[in-house]
Amino acid sequence: QVQLQQSGPGLVKPSQTLSLTCVISGDSVSSNSAAWNWIRQSPSRGLEWLGRTLYRSKWYNDYAVSVRRRITINPDTSKNLFSLQLNSVTPEDTAVYYCARDDYGDKFDYWGQGTLVTVSS
Amino acid sequence: DIQMTQSPSSVSASVGDRVTITCRASQGISRWLAWYQQKPGKAPKLLIYGASSLQSGVPSRFSGSGSGTDFTLTISSLQPEDFATYYCQQANSFPRTFGQGTKVEIK
Repeated sequence: QVQLQQSGPGLVKPSQTLSLTCVISGDSVSSNSAAWNWIRQSPSRGLEWLGRTLYRSKWYNDYAVSVRRRITINPDTSKNLFSLQLNSVTPEDTAVYYCARDDYGDKFDYWGQGTLVTVSS
Repeated sequence: DIQMTQSPSSVSASVGDRVTITCRASQGISRWLAWYQQKPGKAPKLLIYGASSLQSGVPSRFSGSGSGTDFTLTISSLQPEDFATYYCQQANSFPRTFGQGTKVEIK
């Protein structure tokens, strides 16, 4: 059974960096069939896919255009986790952030528990 | 980006009712469509993928159909635990995009 456990601060100041981690159990961040995603949800933007990291003989990343200049998703094979960094945050980045596994490219079948991140001074 | 539009935005129904939710993609996505159920304070839960494949462990009263641009999620006999918000999501191209949600409420 795959489980994803998120951690990270719930409050970030404007212009600073939002950092979250997602620890994977029951699968590997280096899986050749899965991709590891970050998705956020807010009342104004709904569910919004932010990006993913995946390993297919080498590491790849895909990012949403809306956050491409500010986002980094990194795998950590030693700890079997992946992380999200979102730079220069504004109040519009306030949302519940989820990590999720994308199995074979057609579905988000496992999700983390969600982390409410509020951007406020 | 592919826009996903769900209708209705909300539906009031009674236990035992048949409920149908539709999702329209702004361009053809073949059968690259998934459906999720979300309850308050919880992460979305996968119900259907590939437009009509039932995720393991999901009750058979849930079914999906469609291809191209028009898709349907049907709950054949609504149960108390089915009152939730439902989302469609396209997996045809990046960025992955979701519908705005359909809230199924108690009548």
